Amino acid sequence: NAGVTQTPKFRVLKTGQSMTLLCAQDMNHEYMYWYRQDPGMGLRLIHYSVGEGTTAKGEVPDGYNVSRLKKQNFLLGLESAAPSQTSVYFCASRPTVERNEQFFGPGTRLTVL
Amino acid sequence: RKEVEQDPGPFNVPEGATVAFNCTYSNSASQSFFWYRQDCRKEPKLLMSVYSSGNEDGRFTAQLNRASQYISLLIRDSKLSDSATYLCVVKKGNTPLVFGKGTRLSVIA
Repeated sequence: NAGVTQTPKFRVLKTGQSMTLLCAQDMNHEYMYWYRQDPGMGLRLIHYSVGEGTTAKGEVPDGYNVSRLKKQNFLLGLESAAPSQTSVYFCASRPTVERNEQFFGPGTRLTVL
Repeated sequence: RKEVEQDPGPFNVPEGATVAFNCTYSNSASQSFFWYRQDCRKEPKLLMSVYSSGNEDGRFTAQLNRASQYISLLIRDSKLSDSATYLCVVKKGNTPLVFGKGTRLSVIA
């Protein structure tokens, strides 16, 4: 199993550009999450999904959209990137509501100029 | 008040030392508790769950005090490889995990 993978690993954008971050998991997990991690701020939840076709807002959803069309994939979109979205983005998945361990992807380092 | 609060550190300790991290949580309805470890420029990984009666995994001991809403992690005989950031995590019901900002540990030779 590859576990949780994220594409791309690094990206530099200009203000106003758009992009999509892809998260894929091959563990048949129900729950998937997108976080951002900034120095001194810890992990902050952007959006999450409790199953295929469902999404919900987390702590810091503004400026981001997500989709979960397939169970194994969770996409994070930035429609018009801003310098404040410079961050490390982590995707995570969790098997079921009864299992609490979350498995994280390796992260995507995004810089918005 | 933040949901999960941790001393950010850094804690700089010599090899072989014992070090303890503390964490407090604000939501008394929290039901599940964990410690995650995050190495520099890597993703977080589960270190251990925290049970009401306290639990031990090798050199690591976790304690929970529900009355004081307080969680601790004790590391004995610190190794260089223990250098990392330790994240305190709490969960209530079916809601997403809530992560603390982490405590950074540097073990020095």
